[in-house]
Amino acid sequence: SQTIHQWPATLVQPVGSPLSLECTVEGTSNPNLYWYRQAAGRGLQLLFYSVGIGQISSEVPQNLSASRPQDRQFILSSKKLLLSDSGFYLCAWSVNTGYGYTFGSGTRLTVV
Amino acid sequence: GESVGLHLPTLSVQEGDNSIINCAYSNSASDYFIWYKQESGKGPQFIIDIRSNMDKRQGQRVTVLLNKTVKHLSLQIAATQPGDSAVYFCAENINDYKLSFGAGTTVTVRA
Repeated sequence: SQTIHQWPATLVQPVGSPLSLECTVEGTSNPNLYWYRQAAGRGLQLLFYSVGIGQISSEVPQNLSASRPQDRQFILSSKKLLLSDSGFYLCAWSVNTGYGYTFGSGTRLTVV
Repeated sequence: GESVGLHLPTLSVQEGDNSIINCAYSNSASDYFIWYKQESGKGPQFIIDIRSNMDKRQGQRVTVLLNKTVKHLSLQIAATQPGDSAVYFCAENINDYKLSFGAGTTVTVRA
């Protein structure tokens, strides 16, 4: 069966520090991968998605970047965190278009 | 921006009653819709989905209704239980790689 792993679960980082969140999927090949951010009490905002290794599409201009160094690995990064980067970050995967996503357990990022 | 929105941001329901959560979508080309449940501090979990060639689909205690004429989607939960307390999101796949999510409805079950 397929599983998605996302870590860390919580993270407190100072303003100006770098960020690296990792997401891996097991049990499938060539998944579509997604990074979402969720502000407190709000909906889900798509940040990046990837349909293959090295292929990254950005949805909104921001202080973050994404990379897909391996088929089932998706990384969200920042060189210098801002206070506004605080939020709940969710990784998700899907097999094909026309199917739903499976979400990871999320990372709660607090920038102080 | 998000093209899927919800009519009501919060819903309070008595335990044992039925719940109805509504969702309006704006893209008439959308052909696949999903309901997700998100408990506090967790990632959204798939509840049920429906394709545009259907108008009703039933799962365990849940039913999704799709009205393409008025671009409306609803989730019905039968015999609501305390464990149903969560935020519910509708989402639409507009036939590319992305889902568009609504803002979410917070459901609170009263004992």
